[in-house]
Amino acid sequence: QKEVEQNSGPLSVPEGAIASLNCTYSDRGSQSFFWYRQYSGKSPELIMFIYSNGDKEDGRFTAQLNKASQYVSLLIRDSQPSDSATYLCAVRAGSSASKIIFGSGTRLSIRP
Amino acid sequence: NAGVTQTPKFRILKIGQSMTLQCTQDMNHNYMYWYRQDPGMGLKLIYYSVGAGITDKGEVPNGYNVSRSTTEDFPLRLELAAPSQTSVYFCASTLQGGDQPQHFGDGTRLSIL
Repeated sequence: QKEVEQNSGPLSVPEGAIASLNCTYSDRGSQSFFWYRQYSGKSPELIMFIYSNGDKEDGRFTAQLNKASQYVSLLIRDSQPSDSATYLCAVRAGSSASKIIFGSGTRLSIRP
Repeated sequence: NAGVTQTPKFRILKIGQSMTLQCTQDMNHNYMYWYRQDPGMGLKLIYYSVGAGITDKGEVPNGYNVSRSTTEDFPLRLELAAPSQTSVYFCASTLQGGDQPQHFGDGTRLSIL
């Protein structure tokens, strides 16, 4: 079982709709969870982080964490063409708080 | 503020050659990481360091070595390059702390022919 799993996509969403990205993790002791956006040929850039159960909102982005079910999700409201990118889920592993593991990423495409 | 700087940006190696990928950060971060990213894939952790003199293996350490003699620098060494090591390599750093995000360099695109 992979430590961090994401659906590779591509996920196609119409402009203005809500995009929903999901991530599951295997280490129940994991502490912190991050969502990064990566445009083709560029380095990852942080969108949001979350470490408490529940929702965290920042502008059009909402991160949701459910530690009991071991999943974290990212919602993008009012999707824009500029949101088209690969979204990477990253988890700070519980056994070693210094180790950060990434999922394989989900490609998101926003169609006009 | 330069952040995380990686050199070189591009490199082509022949099979069996060796090289060192350089990474330096000027943010006084104690944690540093090396990842590789194959085409269409996520980031795989190669090695990480929690401070000068301390390194540990990640998910895919075979074929690589690291050292951390200073807080600022975290070079990645490839010995006996193989085609399977063709990838984009990212260096990242972060402050200690559960909610601290990683700051990434621009990456080194490496081809082994």
